[in-house]
Parts: sequence; structure tokens; C-alpha cells
Amino acid sequence: GQSLEQPSEVTAVEGAIVQINCTYQTSGFYGLSWYQQHDGGAPTFLSYNALDGLEETGRFSSFLSRSDSYGYLLLQELQMKDSASYFCAVNQAGTALIFGKGTTLSVSS
Amino acid sequence: DAGITQSPRYKITETGRQVTLMCHQTWSHSYMFWYRQDLGHGLRLIYYSAAADITDKGEVPDGYVVSRSKTENFPLTLESATRSQTSVYFCASSEPRGQETQYFGPGTRLLVL
Repeated sequence: GQSLEQPSEVTAVEGAIVQINCTYQTSGFYGLSWYQQHDGGAPTFLSYNALDGLEETGRFSSFLSRSDSYGYLLLQELQMKDSASYFCAVNQAGTALIFGKGTTLSVSS
Repeated sequence: DAGITQSPRYKITETGRQVTLMCHQTWSHSYMFWYRQDLGHGLRLIYYSAAADITDKGEVPDGYVVSRSKTENFPLTLESATRSQTSVYFCASSEPRGQETQYFGPGTRLLVL
């Protein structure tokens, strides 16, 4: 079978750094993606890791360890607008994505 | 307008009725996907299509039918709606070499009474 595990909720304050972890078990693996979804909105792509290591895009970074079947999304200098749900997703066979259940991030002032 | 659109945005129907949700994209992306999103389940793949006339089942295909006669359109039909199909439905598209980057439509909120 296949499964992705990520925390259901994370809370933080403005200006802080938060890490959202994702562990996965899949029969095939091409890479790990991260998506953001604000309340009532559509998911939007944030980042993708196909190889081990850290990918940085502005305040957001994503990390992958293929040997540990583990990745994380790191959000720095948190802002109120970062309050949203964050989903990790596995590109399992080069076609469709399998999504985790999502992590709700609440940023307070 | 360029992008991916879904219609209707909101729909209320009754158990047993047939409902078709429309999805249209203007990028000429090969791949298109249908997901449903429910509290506690995240996004679950219903069906996807690699090209016109090519479709494949996802994680939760039962009770749904898709077709793809044109690259830009990917309608999803609930042949006989059930209450358990009350959900938010998202359509997405991607390029062949970039399935990790999917572009989502705004969603259709469906209520089955």
C-alpha cells in the first residue's frame, strides 16, 4: 500500500520558523511535492524534491531524504498570510500524485 | 481567459440524480485530474487522464465516470449521486514531464441531499 504521514496541526507566531514533516511509504517514488491551500481556495504548488537535499524558494525550503522516506517543508519569517493547510504529495509512478491529509498551520501575532 | 476553470462552482442535487461537473483548461496540458476533498481525508484522486481518450482510475473511482474527447475538457459525471459524494471537487492539469506541478481549478462544492 501507500501512505503519507504529516502532523494534522501546527501553531506558531509571526516571525518564527516552523517545520512540517512528511514521511511516506509508497511502492514507487519519483519525488515529493508540497502544496499550500488557503481556506476556501485551491491548492497551489510550492516546491518539489526529486533528489536528496534542500531546495530553497524565498522564505520556504523543502528537504528530502530518499533513504529515510522523509521530507519536510520549512517556513521562515512566518507571516499571518502563511496560515493555511500544507500538503505533501508523492509522485509515485510519474503520472498522478498521492496527497497526504494535510497540516493546518495557524500563525498568530 | 487563460487557466483552468470549473463549473458550476456550487451545486445542490438530490440522491439518485445524475450530475456532471465540468473542467476546462487553456494551457493544452496533456494530463488532467479529478480530486475530491473531504475533512480528514485530504485530497483523493478520483480519475486522471494522460491525453484525449485515455483515462485511468485513481484511489476512489466508484460512482464516477469521466470522459476526455478533447484535450481541454475533462468532465466528471456522478451517474446516481449519493450523500457520501457530498464534497469539494477539484480539477487539475499538468504537463507530461511535470506531474509534480499540478495547476488546480477553483473547485466545485457539491451537496447531495
